[in-house]
Amino acid sequence: AAGVIQSPRHLIKEKRETATLKCYPIPRHDTVYWYQQGPGQDPQFLISFYEKMQSDKGSIPDRFSAQQFSDYHSELNMSSLELGDSALYFCASSLTYLGQGAYEQYFGPGTRLTVT
Amino acid sequence: AQSVTQPDIHITVSEGASLELRCNYSYGATPYLFWYVQSPGQGLQLLLKYFSGDTLVQGIKGFEAEFKRSQSSFNLRKPSVHWSDAAEYFCAVGGEYGNKLVFGAGTILRVKS
Repeated sequence: AAGVIQSPRHLIKEKRETATLKCYPIPRHDTVYWYQQGPGQDPQFLISFYEKMQSDKGSIPDRFSAQQFSDYHSELNMSSLELGDSALYFCASSLTYLGQGAYEQYFGPGTRLTVT
Repeated sequence: AQSVTQPDIHITVSEGASLELRCNYSYGATPYLFWYVQSPGQGLQLLLKYFSGDTLVQGIKGFEAEFKRSQSSFNLRKPSVHWSDAAEYFCAVGGEYGNKLVFGAGTILRVKS
C-alpha cells in the first residue's frame, strides 16, 4: 500500500540558511499535518491543511511557513534556520470525512534536519 | 486543554513476558485515542486506535488496548513480548474532524533475553 513520502530524508543546513521539506500524502487523503520531533522529545504539532486550506496551527515559528498544493502535496519552508531547529520533521496524512469525525493519521518516515 | 501522560519513561521486560504500557489522557470531548510505535530514527507506525464502540481494541503485532473512560486511561498490552518489540511507544489523543494529535512523552521499551 502507498505510504506518505517525505523528501529529502536528511538535510544539513547552516545557521541562517533556508530549507524546504516536501510531503506527498497517501493518495486520496485530504488532510496533511506537520510535526516536529526534537531529540528525545515527543512529536509536536506545527500546522495542518485540509483541502489545501490551513485548518489548524500549533507552535510553528513565524520563520516557518507551509502550504498545500493542488496535487495535495505539501511543503514546509523554514527560513533563518537556528541550531534549535535541528529535529525530525514528520508529515502525516489522513482522510477526514466531513461530519464523520477524525480518522487515523499515517506518518511518513520523516526528514532529519541538522542545522550547524 | 488536551494532554497525554505516559508515566513510565523506560520499561524493561523479559522476552516472552507480558507487557502493559500506561496512558492517561485529558480531553474535553469524546477522545480519539491512538498508540504509535517508533524505532530509533524511524517514523511512527500506528499500532491501534479507539474511536467508539468496543472498549477493547486489537491492533497489529499482537497488541491490544483497553479504553476506560472512568479512569481516563488507554493502556497498551501484549501477552508475550518479542525482542523485536523493543522501541519507543507513544500514546496520542486527537479530536474530531482531522484535529491534531497530542502525544505523550513516550515509553521506551527494552526487551531482555
